[in-house]
Amino acid sequence: DAGVTQSPTHLIKTRGQQVTLRCSPKSGHDTVSWYQQALGQGPQFIFQYYEEEERQRGNFPDRFSGHQFPNYSSELNVNALLLGDSALYLCASSLEQLNGYTFGSGTRLTVV
Amino acid sequence: RKEVEQDPGPFNVPEGATVAFNCTYSNSASQSFFWYRQDCRKEPKLLMSVYSSGNEDGRFTAQLNRASQYISLLIRDSKLSDSATYLCVVNIYGQNFVFGPGTRLSVLP
Repeated sequence: DAGVTQSPTHLIKTRGQQVTLRCSPKSGHDTVSWYQQALGQGPQFIFQYYEEEERQRGNFPDRFSGHQFPNYSSELNVNALLLGDSALYLCASSLEQLNGYTFGSGTRLTVV
Repeated sequence: RKEVEQDPGPFNVPEGATVAFNCTYSNSASQSFFWYRQDCRKEPKLLMSVYSSGNEDGRFTAQLNRASQYISLLIRDSKLSDSATYLCVVNIYGQNFVFGPGTRLSVLP
């Protein structure tokens, strides 16, 4: 049973560029959440997708956008990259939140 | 005040020691609680859920005090492999999971 898969695992981008990160949820999970984790900090909530709609959003600018597809997979897009966007981006999937999230191994984004 | 706060750490303990982590949360409407473990440069992994009556899983014991909005994790007979960052997580059903900043544990030989 495949867990949550994310791609790519590592990425280097230049300031001002755009990036798309991808996530396939664990089999049977229908909700995908995206988190940003800077070095030495806890994960910070970006947004959550359910039934192809953004259900909740954290305190992130509009440069961060996303999408969920009918097969529950999801994309995170970041426009006009800043140096401060360098972080580990984690995708988490769930079916019922009371059972906790399952995380993918993350995409490490470096903006230079 | 941050939504979830944890002991700042790091905790450096010898093998076999008992170590306790503390976590407080600000939103009294929080309904579910978890401890996650995160190894260096890896993703967080669910360690255990925290139930109102307290729960135990081998060497790990989690406690919840709703009145004080406080969660704890106790690790007994710590092993070298327990070295990691421990993240406290709270959730209001239907909303996102809120993570604490984490407490790093190093178990020394």
